[in-house]
Amino acid sequence: DTGVSQDPRHKITKRGQNVTFRCDPISEHNRLYWYRQTLGQGPEFLTYFQNEAQLEKSRLLSDRFSAERPKGSFSTLEIQRTEQGDSAMYLCASSLAHGDRARQPQHFGDGTRLSIL
Amino acid sequence: AQKITQTQPGMFVQEKEAVTLDCTYDTSDPSYGLFWYKQPSSGEMIFLIYQGSYDQQNATEGRYSLNFQKARKSANLVISASQLGDSAMYFCAMREGGNAGNMLTFGGGTRLMVKP
Repeated sequence: DTGVSQDPRHKITKRGQNVTFRCDPISEHNRLYWYRQTLGQGPEFLTYFQNEAQLEKSRLLSDRFSAERPKGSFSTLEIQRTEQGDSAMYLCASSLAHGDRARQPQHFGDGTRLSIL
Repeated sequence: AQKITQTQPGMFVQEKEAVTLDCTYDTSDPSYGLFWYKQPSSGEMIFLIYQGSYDQQNATEGRYSLNFQKARKSANLVISASQLGDSAMYFCAMREGGNAGNMLTFGGGTRLMVKP
């Protein structure tokens, strides 16, 4: 399977704990995105990388959130001191950054569903 | 102001009939792209179709077509010959041009239910 891979699929944790999610993009894609989706809503942009550089962060990405993409391959999203409001589906997507930028679709993974007890 | 509006929270369609899912958008950028994604209950987001702001013709991909009305800022998805497997959430999204325009902005989605 050469699609976007996310791990774990589900994470249940107690409030106040730290969690880390991993995303492996499609191998030739140099752009990687993180989105958050709450129940009944569309995904909301969190941050994106081009290769290893984090180029944009949403206001939704509080100081408790940090994302990395070492070596421009896989990415991790860490949430520290989790809160009830962090419960959501965290989606990762990847795309190519050459050619007609607007035309390139983002390909999504299956997401990590986070539940805070 | 909402950048992407999907006014139909839920839609029913009879199997084998066509259905139109509405999407209106708001942008002042002359260069933008509009995307439709399907999200089944399993959660993955599946890319369906793309329309560029400068494209002269409406996009088509198999049973999916996009009714793009630029002056009205609408980009409705038409699914022909509905199948039971089309039951899912459908999201309209926009990517605006420019250096900061790499993110997708999504609408609230429409839940499509196909009746046998």
